[in-house]
Amino acid sequence: EAGVTQFPSHSVIEKGQTVTLRCDPISGHDNLYWYRRVMGKEIKFLLHFVKESKQDESGMPNNRFLAERTGGTYSTLKVQPAELEDSGVYFCASSRGPPNSPLHFGNGTRLTVT
Amino acid sequence: DAKTTQPPSMDCAEGRAANLPCNHSTISGNEYVYWYRQIHSQGPQYIIHGLKNNETNEMASLIITEDRKSSTLILPHATLRDTAVYYCIVHGSSNTGKLIFGQGTTLQVKP
Repeated sequence: EAGVTQFPSHSVIEKGQTVTLRCDPISGHDNLYWYRRVMGKEIKFLLHFVKESKQDESGMPNNRFLAERTGGTYSTLKVQPAELEDSGVYFCASSRGPPNSPLHFGNGTRLTVT
Repeated sequence: DAKTTQPPSMDCAEGRAANLPCNHSTISGNEYVYWYRQIHSQGPQYIIHGLKNNETNEMASLIITEDRKSSTLILPHATLRDTAVYYCIVHGSSNTGKLIFGQGTTLQVKP
């Protein structure tokens, strides 16, 4: 099966601009997650979708971040306006369903805000 | 979810077994032990998980002590491609998908 794919792999934008990251989960996986690692820090949870519904968005840092999953397939994460501290690697993951199902991660989008 | 403690780094000779320890003394009864790894420039990769019995798959073995306060991930024949950061994560079913990553153990496999 195809893995989790993320686009773009890299993005360099200026402070104040908008960036949209995309994630295509593994086909049939209802659960979709966003994580990120900012420079020098640990990987942190951002939010969790079950199909098109947000199940847990407790990790979203502020209202400049907007995640959507229309139709319950792919997801987008928009940062508007981007700030310097948003630089990092954004990972998407998906899982099949039961609570203890392992997560399958994509290779991430490296975002650099200058 | 319970907190885990791992050594920051370890070395292993190629072809030998790599034994990565993890302490999780505050683990509760319904929490599983998961292992993921992150190879440079890739996303985290699931390796194995278990509740209380030892587990084995094509990648590794997981040994959990009887009191469940610690575990060991075993890569039976480490290769250079196993060089990565290994994360031990304790996760309960009530917290679906919200994994808490620590600093992990950087495993360096040497020729």
